[in-house]
Amino acid sequence: DQQVKQNSPSLSVQEGRISILNCDYTNSMFDYFLWYKKYPAEGPTFLISISSIKDKNEDGRFTVFLNKSAKHLSLHIVPSQPGDSAVYFCAATGGANSKLTFGKGITLSVRP
Amino acid sequence: NAGVTQTPKFQVLKTGQSMTLQCAQDMNHNSMYWYRQDPGMGLRLIYYSASEGTTDKGEVPNGYNVSRLNKREFSLRLESAAPSQTSVYFCASRFGRGGEQYFGPGTRLTVT
Repeated sequence: DQQVKQNSPSLSVQEGRISILNCDYTNSMFDYFLWYKKYPAEGPTFLISISSIKDKNEDGRFTVFLNKSAKHLSLHIVPSQPGDSAVYFCAATGGANSKLTFGKGITLSVRP
Repeated sequence: NAGVTQTPKFQVLKTGQSMTLQCAQDMNHNSMYWYRQDPGMGLRLIYYSASEGTTDKGEVPNGYNVSRLNKREFSLRLESAAPSQTSVYFCASRFGRGGEQYFGPGTRLTVT
């Protein structure tokens, strides 16, 4: 039972263009959502988050959008840079526990 | 301030051997977590400790035990390693329920 789904395993975009990474969730108890970035041979690092009381959160080139009715969130990177090439994980938490549930990740490649 | 540290970085075990993966954090975080990352599977929670003195099973706890030694340290033990436990193991910590998790650099374990 996969509660957080990242259905596309990979995405390739041209440098300077927008990257849009999608994530869907099934558990309506989730109320806080996060994106992590992971380079090879390193641990994941926190990128940006959004609470369910908001529908958008922006931090520099990174914006996360949340559509609660569709149980869908997306990460927009504008403009994309070669250094953004990494695996991106979507994660969610909610309810009484303190656990994060992660998606399987999406590999982003930004072509120079 | 080292954040989350993990030892060892690499380990090769033979089937049936035991070992303990060590994790420590210096951020005064309450919650600590152990994940494993396998190709195409994302990050799966093995065990977590919401606070000092408590531990709970995650998604894939079989074959593992944990000890929350004190607020700083959370160890993961493999009593009898199996090839299916070949993976990259990440430790993480978090201050409270709403905050992001901070990850260590990982331990790459191979069981032959």
